[in-house]
Formats: sequence, C-alpha cells, structure tokens
Amino acid sequence: EAGVVQSPRYKIIEKKQPVAFWCNPISGHNTLYWYRQNLGQGPELLIRYENEEAVDDSQLPKDRFSAERLKGVDSTLKIQPAELGDSAVYLCASSKSGQFSPTFGSGTRLTVV
Amino acid sequence: TQLLEQSPQFLSIQEGENLTVYCNSSSVFSSLQWYRQEPGEGPVLLVTVVTGGEVKKLKRLTFQFGDARKDSSLHITAAQPGDTGLYLCAGLFGNEKLTFGTGTRLTIIP
Repeated sequence: EAGVVQSPRYKIIEKKQPVAFWCNPISGHNTLYWYRQNLGQGPELLIRYENEEAVDDSQLPKDRFSAERLKGVDSTLKIQPAELGDSAVYLCASSKSGQFSPTFGSGTRLTVV
Repeated sequence: TQLLEQSPQFLSIQEGENLTVYCNSSSVFSSLQWYRQEPGEGPVLLVTVVTGGEVKKLKRLTFQFGDARKDSSLHITAAQPGDTGLYLCAGLFGNEKLTFGTGTRLTIIP
C-alpha cells in the first residue's frame, strides 16, 4: 500500500512570494490533516478535512494560508505571501474516518529567505 | 488549549542503558499515542493506549498510561542506536483534536 505522498520535499523561496504544497493521502482515508512542525517541536494542526469539508481550521492563519480538497482526495496548502516565520516542515497525514491515528507523509521542508 | 509537556526535552545515553520519557497534561485524554520521528521523515505511530493504567509492550519498549489518563510514560530497555529519534506523545481529547507534545529527542551513543 502506498503511503501518504507529499511534494515537493524541499522548497526555498524569498519572503513575500507564494508557495504551494501538495498531498495525496492513502487510498480510502477520508480524513486528511495538514500539520506544521517547527524545528525540534511537535507538529501543530493547521487544518483537518473530512472528505471535502474542513471540519477544524481553527489554527489556520487565514490571512495568508489557504487549503483545499476539492474532490475529497488530494489536497493543496498555499501560503501567500510567505513570511520568514513560515519556515518549517509542513506535514500531511491521513486516516480513516473516526480513527484519529494519522499516517504521515515525509513532509515538505520550507525555507523562507 | 490542551498542552502536553514531555520530559526530558533531550536525552543522550550509552547503548545498553535503560531510559524513561514522560508525557504530562492537566487535561484528561480520551486516548494517547506515541510516535517516533527520524530526520527527514514524518512521525510513525508506535502505540495507542486507551484505558487508565494500561501497559503495552513493543519489544524493548514499554508504554504506560496513567490511572487518571492525564499522563503516560515510555520506557526503553537496553537502548540501541536504532532507537535514536524524536519521540512524540499525542493526546486525543474529547473535542476530537489530536494534540502533540513538545517531544523528547533521544540519542543513543554506540
């Protein structure tokens, strides 16, 4: 079974530029999560989807961050414009509905310079 | 906001030694998970504990859930270099939000 696939693995951008991350969850997993992990810390939830619906986006900085999961499968997370403090690893994860034990992808390491 | 504190933050020990790391919260968990994360990878689930006082073993790793379901510990016996990594606890609270702890970075010295 293929795991959670994320791309790109690494991204370096200048501040104020836009950036997008893509995630393909495990087949059959209706729940999709985006987490942000700062160096040496635990992941922090940005948004959780149940199929196409964002059921928890309370921690998503909506002034610059947006996410979508149009067909209830793949998802994209966008930052526009990026700030220096956005440098982090962005992790996508998925699980079956109601199981709350996500399987993580390898993440996208974002560096904003 | 539910907070999970892990201790110690860093731990470096010799191969063959035993160690225990802790995860504490002021709130009651519905369940608690332990993950291990290696550099450049996402966290990988090790175990889920649900019942207060529950003990689970995974080879040389022993996980215990506190009676009041507010704390947990991970004990590793005879640590090996392959145990090196970031250990994360994650608590599921009544609002269905999975919250991760601050992490313990473990280094096993050969």
